Amino acid sequence: EAQVTQNPRYLITVTGKKLTVTCSQNMNHEYMSWYRQDPGLGLRQIYYSMNVEVTDKGDVPEGYKVSRKEKRNFPLILESPSPNQTSLYFCASSLLSPGFTPQHFGDGTRLSIL
Amino acid sequence: KNEVEQSPQNLTAQEGEFITINCSYSVGISALHWLQQHPGGGIVSLFMLSSGKKKHGRLIATINIQEKHSSLHITASHPRDSAVYICAVRARGKLIFGQGTELSVKP
Repeated sequence: EAQVTQNPRYLITVTGKKLTVTCSQNMNHEYMSWYRQDPGLGLRQIYYSMNVEVTDKGDVPEGYKVSRKEKRNFPLILESPSPNQTSLYFCASSLLSPGFTPQHFGDGTRLSIL
Repeated sequence: KNEVEQSPQNLTAQEGEFITINCSYSVGISALHWLQQHPGGGIVSLFMLSSGKKKHGRLIATINIQEKHSSLHITASHPRDSAVYICAVRARGKLIFGQGTELSVKP
């Protein structure tokens, strides 16, 4: 089954404790992206990757890191999480840049930073 | 002012009603997406369109490029259509999202 898999689905942690949210897709998609969703603000792009070893900042990259060492994986790293990073996070992938092909979304990761 | 505006923000309908959700944008776009987000949180792509009209089952999406406006219609609505519907446009090499329309269909 074609899918984007995020882990964990839920995480409660404390300020400053490094964490990684994993994202994997099995559709051989070139483009992957991370979004955060906050009430009243909608979805905002954090980082995206056009292909292996190619990543770029989205609209809200501060406090986040990503890597794309393999085509299927695109982890999101919070080196020193802070409470303002409490949010619902989505990973997405598409065959080409979004707008040319539909995006496939993971089920989301609800992150709470205390 | 947001570059992508949806209306209404919230909508309650009775089962069987015809529903329209609107999306207006202020930027030049190459494509527009309609997404559905269920209460569990997962997001599904419903339509991607750059002109005209597309239909899938009871869902119809239209776009008017000159007026910078798109509509999502749901015919014969059902409680399982209850979700947040999100409009997103491709502009400046990225997707810009509206804030979503929360739809509740009562039996």
